Amino acid sequence: ILNVEQSPQSLHVQEGDSTNFTCSFPSSNFYALHWYRWETAKSPEALFVMTLNGDEKKKGRISATLNTKEGYSYLYIKGSQPEDSATYLCASDKGAQKLVFGQGTRLTINP
Amino acid sequence: NAGVMQNPRHLVRRRGQEARLRCSPMKGHSHVYWYRQLPEEGLKFMVYLQKENIIDESGMPKERFSAEFPKEGPSILRIQQVVRGDSAAYFCASSSDRGLTDTQYFGPGTRLTVL
Repeated sequence: ILNVEQSPQSLHVQEGDSTNFTCSFPSSNFYALHWYRWETAKSPEALFVMTLNGDEKKKGRISATLNTKEGYSYLYIKGSQPEDSATYLCASDKGAQKLVFGQGTRLTINP
Repeated sequence: NAGVMQNPRHLVRRRGQEARLRCSPMKGHSHVYWYRQLPEEGLKFMVYLQKENIIDESGMPKERFSAEFPKEGPSILRIQQVVRGDSAAYFCASSSDRGLTDTQYFGPGTRLTVL
């Protein structure tokens, strides 16, 4: 994998359901993987910075896992709420502080 | 603690004019990054600065674009002789130090429209 890729591009989930989506990144020279939550007309909000293979981080109903050997990270949202509707971005950092972003997963929670 | 501030939020320029975008990092942050989002594209790195130094400008177009982060005052992204293709959202981010788990905190962006 040469670029950071996120799937799916968009996702519609019923309120109360749990969901997850994927970020794939180049595994060579890995340094850190960042997750952001971005609501329209607002600043991207930092969720997690992950560095260690096998790492799992949690913030409320949102959690993320990291596999640096195969180059992927999953973001999970448990019991989706309407306020979870946003675009979720991941970004790879190869140690130069130059984040390479994926295109994002646009999540819509249907009430 | 105020977040990253950017101004103006919206900027309209005619072709050939200059655009100046300002970014005030979070208090205590000495590292600033500029990213650009072209229409229908993702965020792309432009430049990384510390106080009075450009650390990495590998994402900056070679002509017409410049950035600075003076000892006092905000970071400035300057685009000279703007063209329609410069229309985009420009985001600034800041971080506190270059550690293993640096988080970059983003501002709300400046949306530049070139007529």
